[in-house]
Amino acid sequence: QLQLQESGPGLVKPSETLSLTCNVSGGSISSRSYYWGWIRQSPGKGLEWIGSMYYSGNTYYSPSLKSRVSMSVDVSKIQFSLKLNSVTAADTAVYYCVRHDPLANWFDPWGQGTLVSVSS
Amino acid sequence: QSALTQPASVSGSPGQSITISCTGTSSDVGGYNFVSWYQQHPGKAPKLMIYDVTYRPSGVSNRFSGSKSGNTASLTISGLQTEDEAHYFCSSYTTSSHVVFGGGTRVTVL
Repeated sequence: QLQLQESGPGLVKPSETLSLTCNVSGGSISSRSYYWGWIRQSPGKGLEWIGSMYYSGNTYYSPSLKSRVSMSVDVSKIQFSLKLNSVTAADTAVYYCVRHDPLANWFDPWGQGTLVSVSS
Repeated sequence: QSALTQPASVSGSPGQSITISCTGTSSDVGGYNFVSWYQQHPGKAPKLMIYDVTYRPSGVSNRFSGSKSGNTASLTISGLQTEDEAHYFCSSYTTSSHVVFGGGTRVTVL
């Protein structure tokens, strides 16, 4: 059974870079059918897609975050990563890593999520 | 990109059926059959309940069903049970930003 698990600092200072990693277990990250993505949820708010990437490195990002986001994948470690730079308090959220079907545009499964707070 | 429009809350008694709407535009919900629905219990990650408007992933109860008419997609929960009490989010492909979510609907079982 495919499982995803996020890891990374729970506290980031304003203007610094948020970095998270997602470890994939129970399946291959090199699947030709799926992308790997990140979604965040601000406290008490809805869901926001950040971006998705293919194991070969092809990426696409939300236009609203594109200027600050980068994603990468490490096939040998079966993990992928997110970097969001120049963070502000508005970036405080629970960050989820997901498997993304890019054709039908659904997300499954989801990691358990990790809360990242932006504060000095 | 504006979020898809969902009612803030919907409630029903055990055994009843409820329907949650998700309204978008011809650039997202109305233009593509790529609508999915997610269930989220407090403190938990969202779970895929419906994809491609009407399809249920393996393991999801057949009490959950999806449909679409024009720019509005709907999720119906039949035979409402206490464990169905959760937040529900819709999502769609959109031409402008690939992915758009609804604001979420809180389902309460009375």
